[in-house]
Amino acid sequence: GAGVSQSPSNKVTEKGKDVELRCDPISGHTALYWYRQSLGQGLEFLIYFQGNSAPDKSGLPSDRFSAERTGGSVSTLTIQRTQQEDSAVYLCASSLAQLAVAGGFHDYGYTFGSGTRLTVV
Amino acid sequence: AQSVSQHNHHVILSEAASLELGCNYSYGGTVNLFWYVQYPGQHLQLLLKYFSGDPLVKGIKGFEAEFIKSKFSFNLRKPSVQWSDTAEYFCAVNTGGFKTIFGAGTRLFVKA
Repeated sequence: GAGVSQSPSNKVTEKGKDVELRCDPISGHTALYWYRQSLGQGLEFLIYFQGNSAPDKSGLPSDRFSAERTGGSVSTLTIQRTQQEDSAVYLCASSLAQLAVAGGFHDYGYTFGSGTRLTVV
Repeated sequence: AQSVSQHNHHVILSEAASLELGCNYSYGGTVNLFWYVQYPGQHLQLLLKYFSGDPLVKGIKGFEAEFIKSKFSFNLRKPSVQWSDTAEYFCAVNTGGFKTIFGAGTRLFVKA
């Protein structure tokens, strides 16, 4: 598609419920990222997918968080047994893979989706 | 661990004033550096980036940033801001791995 698409744009859920957030990256972008943006905070890295490689889950805050990417395209972030501290904007981004260049590397930067605003009440 | 520091959390300027937003990172090796912008109600978008060559990079809407390796800095500048530049600005660094580290952001408000 033309951009990174995320759904839903807003989600209000009760504490203890599970939620699924969806991300549809730009076609041809092999890398997909999930970040979390809380009020007054920067962007907190959650998880990274690159092609068909195993994801890097080092940023997931607890085992209630999980993500998958099917067929190297669409990704779903699942939060089980939501807590109030999970309330945030969840951002998905995609990019082309980094290039090795003489003396360094070239990272293309991210294209972000509009995010899903999650509110746990 | 690598980190990115943005010195100002909130900046208020009048139209036509000059802008400089500070950004410092902590990493001694090769980096790629970015500024992203988030306009009110819109998604984050790339403003400009540096990966090699001329340390002065130009982006969209008249913005530029200068990479000073000795100071580990990548400050964002614009000679004359407009009301439409009101937004939140994020500095970010990638050290060659998969993860880009973002600063906490600077909220810019430009008074008409």
